[in-house]
Amino acid sequence: GEEVAQTPKHLVRGEGQKAKLYCAPIKGHSYVFWYQQVLKNEFKFLISFQNENVFDETGMPKERFSAKCLPNSPCSLEIQATKLEDSAVYFCASSRTGGEGEKLFFGSGTQLSVL
Amino acid sequence: SQQGEEDPQALSIQEGENATMNCSYKTSINNLQWYRQNSGRGLVHLILIRSNEREKHSGRLRVTLDTSKKSSSLLITASRAADTASYFCATERGTDKLIFGTGTRLQVFP
Repeated sequence: GEEVAQTPKHLVRGEGQKAKLYCAPIKGHSYVFWYQQVLKNEFKFLISFQNENVFDETGMPKERFSAKCLPNSPCSLEIQATKLEDSAVYFCASSRTGGEGEKLFFGSGTQLSVL
Repeated sequence: SQQGEEDPQALSIQEGENATMNCSYKTSINNLQWYRQNSGRGLVHLILIRSNEREKHSGRLRVTLDTSKKSSSLLITASRAADTASYFCATERGTDKLIFGTGTRLQVFP
């Protein structure tokens, strides 16, 4: 597609439940990035992929968070046993080659509310 | 913040006025990008300036970069109500990920 598609737009989970978010990058883009935005403030980098391979996972919490990008499937970000502090908007972005200076194209985000 | 601090945090102006937002960062960079976020939406790329450039223009946007002070500014001239949004700077080193600043919320009143 011509835009990054994220689903669902909104997700509500009780503490301790699992949350799974999906992202379809722009067709032809090799790099996918996940960012977390809390309270409309800065975007915290979580993880990036080069095709189906993890490129940089330095921002991922060691526990509870995992992500995948499998061939012919949307990428996914999964949070096991959600906590209140996981409430945020999760944005996915893609870029064509991941090269220096390349701009990112963002989806509209998934608003995760943990109650 | 991981990298960038922006000021002001919020800015309110009248249509037709100019809006200036500043971004400071902590480490050396290869380039700096500015993005815009409308309410409830993702970021949209506005402009990129490389570390060897000092100024760049795109339409009503003017970006400056001072690597000695590790700072950048975004100027929007002749602002419009439609410019109301949050603006974020993002820095990059090599092929590393983009690190975003804290953003400036701009409100332009008709």
